[in-house]
Amino acid sequence: DADVTQTPRNRITKTGKRIMLECSQTKGHDRMYWYRQDPGLGLRLIYYSFDVKDINKGEISDGYSVSRQAQAKFSLSLESAIPNQTALYFCATSDPHRESTDTQYFGPGTRLTVL
Amino acid sequence: AQKITQTQPGMFVQEKEAVTLDCTYDTSDPSYGLFWYKQPSSGEMIFLIYQGSYDQQNATEGRYSLNFQKARKSANLVISASQLGDSAMYFCAMRETNTGNQFYFGTGTSLTVIP
Repeated sequence: DADVTQTPRNRITKTGKRIMLECSQTKGHDRMYWYRQDPGLGLRLIYYSFDVKDINKGEISDGYSVSRQAQAKFSLSLESAIPNQTALYFCATSDPHRESTDTQYFGPGTRLTVL
Repeated sequence: AQKITQTQPGMFVQEKEAVTLDCTYDTSDPSYGLFWYKQPSSGEMIFLIYQGSYDQQNATEGRYSLNFQKARKSANLVISASQLGDSAMYFCAMRETNTGNQFYFGTGTSLTVIP
């Protein structure tokens, strides 16, 4: 089984709808991250969390919110989706206490299309 | 300024040949980590190799090696004996300690291995 899972894997929604992307991990890592990937732009950080009580904005947090329900779960919400939020979304985890390199490990991605 | 620069949008290499993918970085933090990830057409992000800023030797992982030139702030990925399965997008990333261990990604290089 995959260490980092994301649901759904694909989603098509309409402008104005609320949508939640979920991420779960079995790696036991403290840190979790949400990124979006757009063609030609690489990955950009939306939000990150270093533990259950710690939530931080990344480079492009506007229009998004997150919830860290447990160490293993980190959800990303789009309160009112708009077409320019169409992208590939990745969840990632890391833990410098377990791995000194603090390498990030990624989920399989969620492809979101907003019509 | 861009934290990570990958100047090669696309590269071609003959099967069994070696190829170098370029990456330069910008940081004033003395403690940082450099990473390479592979993204095949299926979309997942696969961690390949890590180099720490204080590491004296270049990192190697199987057919992957990282040519770390600290004074030039470059961290090029070298893939030896290219295989058809190496065709993918490759992303260089940096983790800075002084920005809370955030990751910064480059825009990627698309590598195509020609039979």
